Amino acid sequence: DAKTTQPTSMDCAEGRAANLPCNHSTISGNEYVYWYRQIHSQGPQYIIHGLKNNETNEMASLIITEDRKSSTLILPHATLRDTAVYYCIVKYYGGSQGNLIFGKGTKLSVKP
Amino acid sequence: KAGVTQTPRYLIKTRGQQVTLSCSPISGHRSVSWYQQTPGQGLQFLFEYFSETQRNKGNFPGRFSGRQFSNSRSEMNVSTLELGDSALYLCASSGQTGHYGYTFGSGTRLTVV
Repeated sequence: DAKTTQPTSMDCAEGRAANLPCNHSTISGNEYVYWYRQIHSQGPQYIIHGLKNNETNEMASLIITEDRKSSTLILPHATLRDTAVYYCIVKYYGGSQGNLIFGKGTKLSVKP
Repeated sequence: KAGVTQTPRYLIKTRGQQVTLSCSPISGHRSVSWYQQTPGQGLQFLFEYFSETQRNKGNFPGRFSGRQFSNSRSEMNVSTLELGDSALYLCASSGQTGHYGYTFGSGTRLTVV
């Protein structure tokens, strides 16, 4: 089973920041938080990952709380093309743990 | 660089038949994973191959099998197809551990009639 809890759906106005929350209260010390998104009828796309520090790349920022029990993915200026299902996943780093366990994700709708 | 290529994109099969799906990973990636996506169950992990060896397997019946070739290309096979096998089958490739993310293909849409 997925180790994360996300809201089923969220709306965001185009051009505004989209803040997608994720709870992962049972995360262990060697598990990372990953975010993927899936635009309709395409394969999931990797966005960002982090362990305990905040991370930023060209797509998004990831804010992880100090106790690591929750995180927030931030899309700073959402566009219509960011409409997708966003998945928050915790994953052990390394070894043979090669699979991702997807939950239901959050369906983000960016509206004009 | 070229992405993950899955063939065919669409497939229609009859119950009881078997099917083989193909996945070509990103050049240099040695790990290939397969996932099944259905409206009811969402994205579920099937299996993962690394250097021609299956190193992780999901909770699917033995009718689902796979293999990986020396060039890292992978195939998955489903025998004795059932209506419930209708799904989007996704392949993902990565470096050794997937730590820096998996790259997914666009999938093969299988319809069993």
